[in-house]
Amino acid sequence: QVTLRESGPAMAKPTQTLTLTCTFSGFSLTTIGMYIGWIRQPPGKALEWLALINWADDKFYRESLKTRLTISRDTSDNQVVLTMTNVDPMDTATYYCARFRRDTPVSGPSDAFDFWGQGTVVAVSS
Amino acid sequence: SYELTQPPSVSVSPGQTTTITCSGHNLEDKFVSWVHQKEGQAPLLVIYLDAKRPSGIPERFSGSNSGNTATLTIFGTQAMDEGDYYCHAWISRTTGVVFGTGTRVTVL
Repeated sequence: QVTLRESGPAMAKPTQTLTLTCTFSGFSLTTIGMYIGWIRQPPGKALEWLALINWADDKFYRESLKTRLTISRDTSDNQVVLTMTNVDPMDTATYYCARFRRDTPVSGPSDAFDFWGQGTVVAVSS
Repeated sequence: SYELTQPPSVSVSPGQTTTITCSGHNLEDKFVSWVHQKEGQAPLLVIYLDAKRPSGIPERFSGSNSGNTATLTIFGTQAMDEGDYYCHAWISRTTGVVFGTGTRVTVL
């Protein structure tokens, strides 16, 4: 059974660094074709992809945010961490982590976020 | 930057067919997926690789992708199908993943 769960602070102040953790189970991030990504959703707005990390430790970032984002993994603890520096009230959102798969020999959905966490709400305010 | 554009809203009567489009440059060269998000919930994958349904997704959900437009079709729309729908696609190693602007489906 695949599960993902986000954790992190509910609030942050402008200019602080935000650290979010995704703890997952039911699959291995070291399996070829496996990725975990972060997606956020500001209140009342659309989903916005932020970053991905894959089985080979390749990292991909949203162009407009790449100077502020770092994604990393701890494969032994089945965790993926996203840090965002210099947060602003515009970063207020629900942050989701989700599994993504590409070019994997394992059957099932591909080129899609197929399992999502429930999301963690982060409010940035002074 | 690459963009995926969807109509903001669609209204449909119960039992009718819902059609949602997702437009992007040469989109047929990409694999498009769709997620459904109900109010206050996490998104749920309903279509991947343009037209495939994950296990557990009803057959009334159908997808296609041709030219610059991908389409999600819901046949015999039910009240439980209300919510927001987003297309998304892996564009390139430089661009990463792009989500569509989202479409709110209302079942009248």
